Amino acid sequence: DGGITQSPKYLFRKEGQNVTLSCEQNLNHDAMYWYRQDPGQGLRLIYYSQIVNDFQKGDIAEGYSVSREKKESFPLTVTSAQKNPTAFYLCASSSYSQGLGNQPQHFGDGTRLSIL
Amino acid sequence: AQTVTQSQPEMSVQEAETVTLSCTYDTSESDYYLFWYKQPPSRQMILVIRQEAYKQQNATENRFSVNFQKAAKSFSLKISDSQLGDAAMYFCAYRSAWGAQKLVFGQGTRLTINP
Repeated sequence: DGGITQSPKYLFRKEGQNVTLSCEQNLNHDAMYWYRQDPGQGLRLIYYSQIVNDFQKGDIAEGYSVSREKKESFPLTVTSAQKNPTAFYLCASSSYSQGLGNQPQHFGDGTRLSIL
Repeated sequence: AQTVTQSQPEMSVQEAETVTLSCTYDTSESDYYLFWYKQPPSRQMILVIRQEAYKQQNATENRFSVNFQKAAKSFSLKISDSQLGDAAMYFCAYRSAWGAQKLVFGQGTRLTINP
């Protein structure tokens, strides 16, 4: 089955520690996205990538970093500079083509990150 | 920058009845897409329905339909014959037709279905 796999499902971070959230897709999608979800605030975009080896900051990129070395993978690192990392993180992907702009984003099942 | 507003944090409806969730958005663009996503307690994001701004006809998917008012920048979701499985958070989302296909989400509406 094609889909998006996020791991781990739950993650705990200690003070001063960097942690990496995994996102893998086998949908052959060009574009991938990371969102953060806090209670009552909906989803906010952290980073996105439209092609391999290229990515752009979203609305709340501070304290996060990403890489896109392979089409299938878009890992997110939550650095120690992110002072309030406790949230639910969702990865998404979509086909990227100007002529297919209405193609929806497909989402993974999310990772819940908490501070120890 | 585009913004999406859902003014109803919570809604409830009796099973088998109809409920309408509101969404307004702000944009200076003429070409864009609008979506409703459902997030049940499992936290999975599920696409409910989509609408292209250039289409005047309102989208329909089984019991789900939208009322798209482009001039008013309004995009409401109507759920007919509500079922217990419809209970979830519902998010309205906007995406530009051109450039990076980022989604801008509203704050969400929590829908409760009363048996």
